[in-house]
Amino acid sequence: EPEVTQTPSHQVTQMGQEVILRCVPISNHLYFYWYRQILGQKVEFLVSFYNNEISEKSEIFDDQFSVERPDGSNFTLKIRSTKLEDSAMYFCASSDARTDTQYFGPGTRLTVL
Amino acid sequence: QKEVEQNSGPLSVPEGAIASLNCTYSDRGSQSFFWYRQYSGKSPELIMFIYSNGDKEDGRFTAQLNKASQYVSLLIRDSQPSDSATYLCAVTGGGFKTIFGAGTRLFVKA
Repeated sequence: EPEVTQTPSHQVTQMGQEVILRCVPISNHLYFYWYRQILGQKVEFLVSFYNNEISEKSEIFDDQFSVERPDGSNFTLKIRSTKLEDSAMYFCASSDARTDTQYFGPGTRLTVL
Repeated sequence: QKEVEQNSGPLSVPEGAIASLNCTYSDRGSQSFFWYRQYSGKSPELIMFIYSNGDKEDGRFTAQLNKASQYVSLLIRDSQPSDSATYLCAVTGGGFKTIFGAGTRLFVKA
């Protein structure tokens, strides 16, 4: 069964460093998403991406964040200058229609020291 | 601010019983409704989605939607210890943003 994959599974970085989180969505899906979940808190929407552009973003997704689909398979989330409060699980998801089912990857645990 | 509210629990039921999980949402324009299961340290796993008022059944799971009351529920029949997890209600409106509730923790006692 096709699945969303994410790398790395765990990323440790120093405050102020740039990190890139990588995702490979399900191959025939057209909509891509990033979410984050701070330990013990809700899953929070960050951004959605369709047709090579951001379709919607939350207030969390400020200028420190960017997304890119550099090739036909990868979807990346970049955090330019990490803060302690960026420590969280980051989930990538994909779907084949805007309001259809979103399938989640296993997540990347980001720890900012 | 669009909200999705769930009772945090924990909800404790004996093995074989019916577990009933509830969710309310604030945005009347919401169109798609999802239930995810999340085990500790893992990603959300889709259980069911529902778009129309009424009931939708899939195996031991039944989702119920009442748009007039802005209410979604999930029933789990014949609950098993492996059903012990946090259940997330998620709602999508006319845009791309999906809003999650904080989740209800379910414990199924063997």
